[in-house]
Amino acid sequence: AQKVTQAQTEISVVEKEDVTLDCVYETRDTTYYLFWYKQPPSGELVFLIRRNSFDEQNEISGRYSWNFQKSTSSFNFTITASQVVDSAVYFCALSEAQETSGSRLTFGEGTQLTVNP
Amino acid sequence: KAGVTQTPRYLIKTRGQQVTLSCSPISGHRSVSWYQQTPGQGLQFLFEYFSETQRNKGNFPGRFSGRQFSNSRSEMNVSTLELGDSALYLCASSSGLRGTQYFGPGTRLLVL
Repeated sequence: AQKVTQAQTEISVVEKEDVTLDCVYETRDTTYYLFWYKQPPSGELVFLIRRNSFDEQNEISGRYSWNFQKSTSSFNFTITASQVVDSAVYFCALSEAQETSGSRLTFGEGTQLTVNP
Repeated sequence: KAGVTQTPRYLIKTRGQQVTLSCSPISGHRSVSWYQQTPGQGLQFLFEYFSETQRNKGNFPGRFSGRQFSNSRSEMNVSTLELGDSALYLCASSSGLRGTQYFGPGTRLLVL
């Protein structure tokens, strides 16, 4: 069965600091998809990125970057020069590609990021 | 394009009652999934519908049910509410199976 672990429950940083959110996953599938979502206090989950298991290229989008390493089953998320607006709960999620899985997402426990001014 | 919409946004019910939540997916999306979020259990998958058929179901009791209409809108129903059903219920849509899911704002259900 699939599993996603986010060991960091809460992280607190000062504005402009860099911060990395860790995500470790388990799956028996050779083809799978990894995601990061952001949940601000309003509650809506905002999609940030999707990664396919066969594409280990790291990605950068503005202040956000993602490091995908199949060898360690990790998909870490780094925010550079953090801002107060980055304060939210961040979820890592996994979806398997097998027919019976559909689009079903398995989520980690989430990491509460607080960026202080 | 309008995002996923959910109604109602807030709901208060008492134990034993039933409730129906509604979700309208992004235009063109045919897959709708439902998730329950609680402080204790986190985000848990309830079920997924695609083309009016339930394709996948999470580990929830039969009191939780859903359906999807021909226009892809979906409803979920919880019968005989229990205190533990108090949660944020999130709906997500995707263009197809194994597509990226985009979430709605959620319905906050409080069971007294």
